[in-house]
Amino acid sequence: DSGVTQTPKHLITATGQRVTLRCSPRSGDLSVYWYQQSLDQGLQFLIQYYNGEERAKGNILERFSAQQFPDLHSELNLSSLELGDSALYFCASSPSGRNQETQYFGPGTRLLVL
Amino acid sequence: AQTVTQSQPEMSVQEAETVTLSCTYDTSESDYYLFWYKQPPSRQMILVIRQEAYKQQNATENRFSVNFQKAAKSFSLKISDSQLGDAAMYFCAYRSQNTGNQFYFGTGTSLTVIP
Repeated sequence: DSGVTQTPKHLITATGQRVTLRCSPRSGDLSVYWYQQSLDQGLQFLIQYYNGEERAKGNILERFSAQQFPDLHSELNLSSLELGDSALYFCASSPSGRNQETQYFGPGTRLLVL
Repeated sequence: AQTVTQSQPEMSVQEAETVTLSCTYDTSESDYYLFWYKQPPSRQMILVIRQEAYKQQNATENRFSVNFQKAAKSFSLKISDSQLGDAAMYFCAYRSQNTGNQFYFGTGTSLTVIP
């Protein structure tokens, strides 16, 4: 158990809908990262937040957005969903100070768009 | 942008034997970090081992060790005394120092352990 929690574990929805994925980082970790893993694919970096501020952006679609709240949990919002958005979405967190370069992953949220 | 290449989509090893998974990367940076993550069928991403580029000594974690060749931009993972529980997808990852600390992942190597 990495200490990173993600909810829900599974999500089934229809095209055109909007969903919100939630992540709670490890206690004390200020950085949160979101990744997308499609079937049989590697992980694609979406976005990073550090202490509430956006720090880096990767291949995140305009239909997707994220934020990090004062209690450091983060939410990834996916809208106007398409079949191709079906994937496993990971959240990861990293500590400040020592070992800040290491990311610890949550169990992921499996999204299925029908 | 940095790229990470894992040229072996699939590998297999006999139980108790040793296997080496390959990873190469492309970067112009001198300071960075490299990682191996394991993804078993549960699809949880589990950190296996990490290496700091400024350290010449190869990292080891129990049965897992790396062969880090900075000049060749190579970072292979050696698994000794392979166990059935080692069967998983293994991802090599590069962590940039200069672009928001994001990770760049390879496409993975699927390891099968044969009893």
